[in-house]
Amino acid sequence: DQQVKQNSPSLSVQEGRISILNCDYTNSMFDYFLWYKKYPAEGPTFLISISSIKDKNEDGRFTVFLNKSAKHLSLHIVPSQPGDSAVYFCAASGVGGTSYGKLTFGQGTILTVHP
Amino acid sequence: EPEVTQTPSHQVTQMGQEVILRCVPISNHLYFYWYRQILGQKVEFLVSFYNNEISEKSEIFDDQFSVERPDGSNFTLKIRSTKLEDSAMYFCASSVGQGKETQYFGPGTRLLVL
Repeated sequence: DQQVKQNSPSLSVQEGRISILNCDYTNSMFDYFLWYKKYPAEGPTFLISISSIKDKNEDGRFTVFLNKSAKHLSLHIVPSQPGDSAVYFCAASGVGGTSYGKLTFGQGTILTVHP
Repeated sequence: EPEVTQTPSHQVTQMGQEVILRCVPISNHLYFYWYRQILGQKVEFLVSFYNNEISEKSEIFDDQFSVERPDGSNFTLKIRSTKLEDSAMYFCASSVGQGKETQYFGPGTRLLVL
C-alpha cells in the first residue's frame, strides 16, 4: 500500500534552521491530512492538520502546505530545535469509499536537529 | 489534557495463546480505532468502531481479531490465537467524530509472540 509516501527516510538540520518534511499521496479521495510526531516507545502525537479546502495551515513553529494538484504536502518547522528530533509521519484520510474514517500513514522521516 | 491510555505496555505470549489489549479512549470521543506497527514498517489501520459496531476493518483484521467496548470506558482488542507475525506495536486511537477529525493515539502495547 503506497498511497502515502515519504520518500526521505531521514533529515538532518542545524538548530535554528528550517526543517522541511515532504509527503506525497496518490489517492484523490483523501481530503484531510495530518502530521504526527513519534518518539521511540511512544504513540504518535498529533502536530498539525490541513483540510483539502486549504493550502496552508500554521500553528506556532509548524506550518503545513498542501498542493492538491501535485498531491503533495510538506511540513515546515521554523526554527528547528533539538527537541524536535523524532520520527515524523504524514497521514491521510478521506470521505467515502474505503478511506473514510481510517488513517493511511507514510513510512516516516527521522528528523535529527543538531545543536 | 485528556489522553488515550493503554495497558499493558508490554505483553509476551506463546504462539497460539489468546491476548487482550486494553485501551481507555478520551472520554468524550465516540470513534475508536486500533492500528499496529510491525518493526520497521508503516503504521497500519486495523479497525474502527462506533456505536458498539465495527464501522470499517482492514484485510489484516481477520477472524482471529475482535474488538469490544465492554463498559463505558474500555475498548479492547482480542487476538484469539496469536501467531509469530502478530508481534508488533499496537496503538489505540480515538476521535470525536469521523472524516476531518483528528485521531489521538495512546502510547501503544508492544506485543511479542514467541
